[in-house]
Amino acid sequence: EVQLVESGGAVVQPGGSLRLSCAASGFSFDDYAMHWVRQAPGKGLEWVSLISWDGGSTYYADSVQGRFTISRDNSKNSLYLQMDSLRADDTALYFCAKEIAAAGLDYWGQGTLVTVSS
Amino acid sequence: EIVMTQSPATLSVSPGESATLSCRAGQSVSTDLAWYQQKPGQAPRLLIYGAFTRATGIPARFRGSGSGTEFTLTISSLQSEDFAVYYCQQYHNWWTFGQGTKVEVK
Repeated sequence: EVQLVESGGAVVQPGGSLRLSCAASGFSFDDYAMHWVRQAPGKGLEWVSLISWDGGSTYYADSVQGRFTISRDNSKNSLYLQMDSLRADDTALYFCAKEIAAAGLDYWGQGTLVTVSS
Repeated sequence: EIVMTQSPATLSVSPGESATLSCRAGQSVSTDLAWYQQKPGQAPRLLIYGAFTRATGIPARFRGSGSGTEFTLTISSLQSEDFAVYYCQQYHNWWTFGQGTKVEVK
């Protein structure tokens, strides 16, 4: 059974940093690209970042470019999102998701909540 | 960034009836389009990818169609578990979501 479990969400002050983790199991983690998607309270989905299967390619939404860094450790079946210079509008539930061969996101975690507030 | 626009924002449908949801892309995305269903307190679930291919385990009453800039998700004979928010997403040029359509009980 495929499982994605996010962790690391917290309340952080504006300008602060946070590192999210996503532990994957039940599939060959190093065969698939992985994504982070977020959802602000009561709002829709926003794509955040993508990393290729080997970590060699990364992509970011304009809203987080230069502030967030996606990475992975295939030896640990883990995905990460380093979030720096956090702003109030980064407040959201952050999901990690597995890509189905450049054709959609077929498995999602339950999300971890990041709240940016003073 | 390719802007995805979904309509209507809310669709009121009676159980057993059909629902038609629309998604328009700001520029052609070919068939690089997915549909997701999200229920309150849950993660999104992939329904359709490649504009019309049902994901594993998705019932046949969910049908995707369209290409280029105009796409449709049709849900036939709505069941109680189908009342939810539906999002389209393009992956032709980066990845962007539509703002969602809420399907509610009429």
